[in-house]
Amino acid sequence: ETGVTQTPRHLVMGMTNKKSLKCEQHLGHNAMYWYKQSAKKPLELMFVYNFKEQTENNSVPSRFSPECPNSSHLFLHLHTLQPEDSALYLCASSQGDRDTEAFFGQGTRLTVV
Amino acid sequence: GDSVTQMEGPVTLSEEAFLTINCTYTATGYPSLFWYVQYPGEGLQLLLKATKADDKGSNKGFEATYRKETTSFHLEKGSVQVSDSAVYFCALSEGRDDKIIFGKGTRLHILP
Repeated sequence: ETGVTQTPRHLVMGMTNKKSLKCEQHLGHNAMYWYKQSAKKPLELMFVYNFKEQTENNSVPSRFSPECPNSSHLFLHLHTLQPEDSALYLCASSQGDRDTEAFFGQGTRLTVV
Repeated sequence: GDSVTQMEGPVTLSEEAFLTINCTYTATGYPSLFWYVQYPGEGLQLLLKATKADDKGSNKGFEATYRKETTSFHLEKGSVQVSDSAVYFCALSEGRDDKIIFGKGTRLHILP
């Protein structure tokens, strides 16, 4: 248990569906992250939020839409995904400073059919 | 920009063998360095870290020393176990833009 909880753990969705991934942390961290992990790109940063403000959007397609309503919760809204979007989506949080590590959730295994 | 390069895997060793996974970095400033481990079906978790030059991070028998002169942070363990089979990621943080830069990961297989 790392203090970062992701739901659901597994998700299968069709290309026309709309779904959301949820991440929650109660570690008092300021920064929250979405990463995509696939065989082709082992760990790809998607979005960074600090104090609810988006500080990084790493050229992610608009079919992925993040939302950070408060510093403890982070969502990733998904719509009209492609099969190549199938991957493990990891959420992490940190203090955002140089010396402290990030804490990761267990991930959501997404399959797009 | 900042980057982390680590040795390609997979690395396959027999139990009780000596392990080294190489990691080098480029950074514009003075970063902290980290090793994370990812066990099957799990997210990443911190294995060890070092925040200044010549510091040695250690945990669970693993060690890594922050070498500023060679910009390296190689991971070592004297005697690996089957339970060490996992993917290992080297990473750095300069505390700018909240970014943590990860290497591509090295998959380690330990044979009994």
